[in-house]
Amino acid sequence: EVQLVESGGGLVKPGGSLRLSCAASGFSFRNYTMNWVRQAPGKGLEWLSSITSSSTYIYYADAVRGRFTISRDNAKNSLFLQMSSLRAEDTALYYCVRETLTTSWYFDLWGRGTLVTVSS
Amino acid sequence: AIQLTQSPSSLSASVGDRVSITCRTGHAISTALAWYQQKPGKAPKPLIYDASRLESGVPSRFSGSGSGTDFTLTISSLQPEDFATYYCQHFNSYPLTFGGGTKVEIK
Repeated sequence: EVQLVESGGGLVKPGGSLRLSCAASGFSFRNYTMNWVRQAPGKGLEWLSSITSSSTYIYYADAVRGRFTISRDNAKNSLFLQMSSLRAEDTALYYCVRETLTTSWYFDLWGRGTLVTVSS
Repeated sequence: AIQLTQSPSSLSASVGDRVSITCRTGHAISTALAWYQQKPGKAPKPLIYDASRLESGVPSRFSGSGSGTDFTLTISSLQPEDFATYYCQHFNSYPLTFGGGTKVEIK
């Protein structure tokens, strides 16, 4: 089955760190650009970061640049998001998202998300 | 960053109604726009890409149009399973931003 499964979420204190993981299966993970998108409770979607198939190019939203680091391990079909200096406003459901492989550019596969709560 | 403004932010409609949602960008993006549907407790699902191309498996009552700065998602005849929140997203350049969402509710 083609799927993305996130893990690593939980409760963390402000200023703390957390590492999210995303396990990909059912497709050739190494060929795809991958992304993290988050959604705060009751709010809209926010793109956070992208990493190309060989990790050559990495992009971040201003809100997380310098605090979050995206990475991947193609041998293990895994995507990661290392989050540090966490703030209350980082509380959200974090989605692992695949970008389409065709010349058309959009997000064609989403995980179910992992919840991160930043609170003292 | 390119800002995406969706309107309305919410609407009430009846089954069978024709519904249109607008997404306006602050910068011309040609047709580099996608639409997603999100139901409560679920991940977003792609509906439309390249502004007007229908994702495989999506019912033909969904359609997209527009280019440049103004885009529209239309549901030709609203069905019970279409009550959800809809988001636009641009793919012109990084950062890849989303619109604020439009919640479609039952009248």
